[in-house]
Amino acid sequence: SQQGEEDPQALSIQEGENATMNCSYKTSINNLQWYRQNSGRGLVHLILIRSNEREKHSGRLRVTLDTSKKSSSLLITASRAADTASYFCATTANAGGTSYGKLTFGQGTILTVHP
Amino acid sequence: KAGVTQTPRYLIKTRGQQVTLSCSPISGHRSVSWYQQTPGQGLQFLFEYFSETQRNKGNFPGRFSGRQFSNSRSEMNVSTLELGDSALYLCASSLAGSQNTEAFFGQGTRLTVV
Repeated sequence: SQQGEEDPQALSIQEGENATMNCSYKTSINNLQWYRQNSGRGLVHLILIRSNEREKHSGRLRVTLDTSKKSSSLLITASRAADTASYFCATTANAGGTSYGKLTFGQGTILTVHP
Repeated sequence: KAGVTQTPRYLIKTRGQQVTLSCSPISGHRSVSWYQQTPGQGLQFLFEYFSETQRNKGNFPGRFSGRQFSNSRSEMNVSTLELGDSALYLCASSLAGSQNTEAFFGQGTRLTVV
């Protein structure tokens, strides 16, 4: 079962605009990762944020994490048509051995960027 | 550095058959995890291997099994295929599969069961 909920389920914007996607989760986590997936292909790793971090940047990406609210957001600035994809958050639970190698994914946000 | 390689990319099998999928992790990575992705259930964790040992397992029937070799390459096997096994199967590799390492995914194997 999916731990996370992502919001919105779909987002449609124009090139140059910013895109914000949100992710909520239910259990205590060690880290949260964001991935991009193009048309049912493999997942591309975007960024990892640890539970003791509040904000992280990578290029046009900004990720925030609020562990008190069990939520994270991904901001893509100055979006491009090539950013069109599905975006997933995935958490690693703070659960010792039962969390080895296990990511729990949200349902994803489908982002469409119009040229 | 080469990424995660999954073979084959596409497979069509008949109900009742079995199938084996392969995953070669990034060089130096010792943990390999497998996931099933379907439109209805999303991405679900199957199992994780580290140093040839299964350390973690998701909630899938025993028809789904795997193994890992000494070079960290992993295979996943599904026996007695059912229509509902049609999915994109993804593997991910990480340095140690521990709680704060990034996981990198392959392109996936799309399995269709007819």
